[in-house]
Amino acid sequence: GENVEQHPSTLSVQEGDSAVIKCTYSDSASNYFPWYKQELGKRPQLIIDIRSNVGEKKDQRIAVTLNKTAKHFSLHITETQPEDSAVYFCAAHLRPQKLVFGTGTRLLVSP
Amino acid sequence: GAVVSQHPSRVICKSGTSVKIECRSLDFQATTMFWYRQFPKQSLMLMATSNEGSKATYEQGVEKDKFLINHASLTLSTLTVTSAHPEDSSFYICSANQGLLGYTFGSGTRLTVV
Repeated sequence: GENVEQHPSTLSVQEGDSAVIKCTYSDSASNYFPWYKQELGKRPQLIIDIRSNVGEKKDQRIAVTLNKTAKHFSLHITETQPEDSAVYFCAAHLRPQKLVFGTGTRLLVSP
Repeated sequence: GAVVSQHPSRVICKSGTSVKIECRSLDFQATTMFWYRQFPKQSLMLMATSNEGSKATYEQGVEKDKFLINHASLTLSTLTVTSAHPEDSSFYICSANQGLLGYTFGSGTRLTVV
């Protein structure tokens, strides 16, 4: 199949806590895994991505980990802030050339 | 950075009419573009892959005669929703793959069929 599963669908955290969103994919040949943040009615905004030759990537408060053997990857946000509240989507680049999105996670960061 | 320009941003049309949505790559050539549809509170669902100079590839369950895709040049892909009905009301968004640069998205089109 060409599924990208994402969990949880909603996530509520207190400001300053960490948030973790997990995704699994089915195509072992997938080689590119971006994460997007989407505001209502706007285009997806790339926040971080990782390629299959790397196990982890970090950019300030955001990190992504990839486990190719298990076919799953995760987004980690540390020291969450209210402005991090949004809908987050994972995605996977599948053969031969298409990007399939996960089901989305609504993150709510309470002050 | 690379830009994909999408028009219109919003369109309201009467049931039974057709609507055309355009996506242009402004500073790069896109041999392939992707069209997504997003219903409220749902994910982006890939509808079809647009290939310059050849037929589009449609995902399972997407009616090719209803969603006409044309990719006549390296910088322009169009999606025409034919005989639109209220259930076609959605957010449509295009994307282009720039290899190592990742995917670039258009700004989206909010279609409302009344």
